[in-house]
Amino acid sequence: GAVVSQHPSWVICKSGTSVKIECRSLDFQATTMFWYRQFPKQSLMLMATSNEGSKATYEQGVEKDKFLINHASLTLSTLTVTSAHPEDSSFYICSAHSNRLNQPQHFGDGTRLSIL
Amino acid sequence: GESVGLHLPTLSVQEGDNSIINCAYSNSASDYFIWYKQESGKGPQFIIDIRSNMDKRQGQRVTVLLNKTVKHLSLQIAATQPGDSAVYFCAEPPGRYNQGGKLIFGQGTELSVKP
Repeated sequence: GAVVSQHPSWVICKSGTSVKIECRSLDFQATTMFWYRQFPKQSLMLMATSNEGSKATYEQGVEKDKFLINHASLTLSTLTVTSAHPEDSSFYICSAHSNRLNQPQHFGDGTRLSIL
Repeated sequence: GESVGLHLPTLSVQEGDNSIINCAYSNSASDYFIWYKQESGKGPQFIIDIRSNMDKRQGQRVTVLLNKTVKHLSLQIAATQPGDSAVYFCAEPPGRYNQGGKLIFGQGTELSVKP
């Protein structure tokens, strides 16, 4: 149980386009979803915390207008990288947490984003 | 604490040997710690967790030790196998209490198992 699905797993697009990444909790309702960014050979950097039906809370230094987060339901959160540029290329990972499950976060398998 | 920007230390072990991966934390009020395993190109997977009222917790082939005096956490993997090759992260909530599941990740250690 507690499966988190992330889509797409890999995307390549031209500079200036916007890219949407979906994160779904498949078999549980997520109280909170988290979005991370990871560069090669580095740790996970928390970008934002998303609660269903409310605005996301962004970590310091993360541009909220650049990384739009929508959390429309208890099983779906989306991250949109707007007007993406090569420096936005990275591995983006989502996770989901439920207060009811009394378990730590469950992670998706990430999205490799490459901006040309 | 958070370790963004630092490159991963590596640990290389022979198949069948035991592995010890270490993690130092800075927040003395931390009361919950988690170890995650991240294989190449995938998201982190939960391995084992421990609360601060314990010094040791065992799972299948893994043991986590917590030394609150020196704020140190370790993950021991017994009889390391090639499938254990991955990056291992310790993680903790940012404050004393669980803030809706929020976690801060440590630097991570890349474990490489030689056949």
